[in-house]
Amino acid sequence: AQTVTQSQPEMSVQEAETVTLSCTYDTSENNYYLFWYKQPPSRQMILVIRQEAYKQQNATENRFSVNFQKAAKSFSLKISDSQLGDTAMYFCAFISSNTGKLIFGQGTTLQVKP
Amino acid sequence: NAGVTQTPKFQVLKTGQSMTLQCAQDMNHEYMSWYRQDPGMGLRLIHYSVGAGITDQGEVPNGYNVSRSTTEDFPLRLLSAAPSQTSVYFCASSHRGGGSEQYFGPGTRLTVT
Repeated sequence: AQTVTQSQPEMSVQEAETVTLSCTYDTSENNYYLFWYKQPPSRQMILVIRQEAYKQQNATENRFSVNFQKAAKSFSLKISDSQLGDTAMYFCAFISSNTGKLIFGQGTTLQVKP
Repeated sequence: NAGVTQTPKFQVLKTGQSMTLQCAQDMNHEYMSWYRQDPGMGLRLIHYSVGAGITDQGEVPNGYNVSRSTTEDFPLRLLSAAPSQTSVYFCASSHRGGGSEQYFGPGTRLTVT
């Protein structure tokens, strides 16, 4: 069975600084996708970034980038130039191309301090 | 284009009562799913559907039923509510294909007393 683990329940960062959120996963499959979702206090789930497992190049979206280490089954999210609006819970998620089931980690609550 | 809608937004039930959480999407997505969110546990998959007439179980299906008679709708039924089902419930939809973005509804906060 696939599992996703986020080992940092809470993190904080000063505004304008950089923070990295960790995620590891376990799977025996080769074809899958990884995601980071953001959940602000409004409760709405927002896709931050997506990575295809077959692509070696790390995905980037503006201030958000990932460090995808397929052999180590690691998928960390780096937020550069942190902004107050980045305060939210962040979820790492895995989806198998075979099953189509999206599996989430436990989440990391990020607080950006002014 | 309303996206994914869920009703109600809040609900309080007594133990043993039944109810249906409604979910609808207007994006012609094949894939729909239900999750529950509990503190410290992330989102856990309850049931999912890859198309009308097809449903399957997720990680935590016990106590819940689903059906998918149309592409647009995917209701979640609680047969006999228990306090352990107190949670926030999210419905999501996407096009078929593992890399497709899942669109989430606003969630339903359910309390069972």
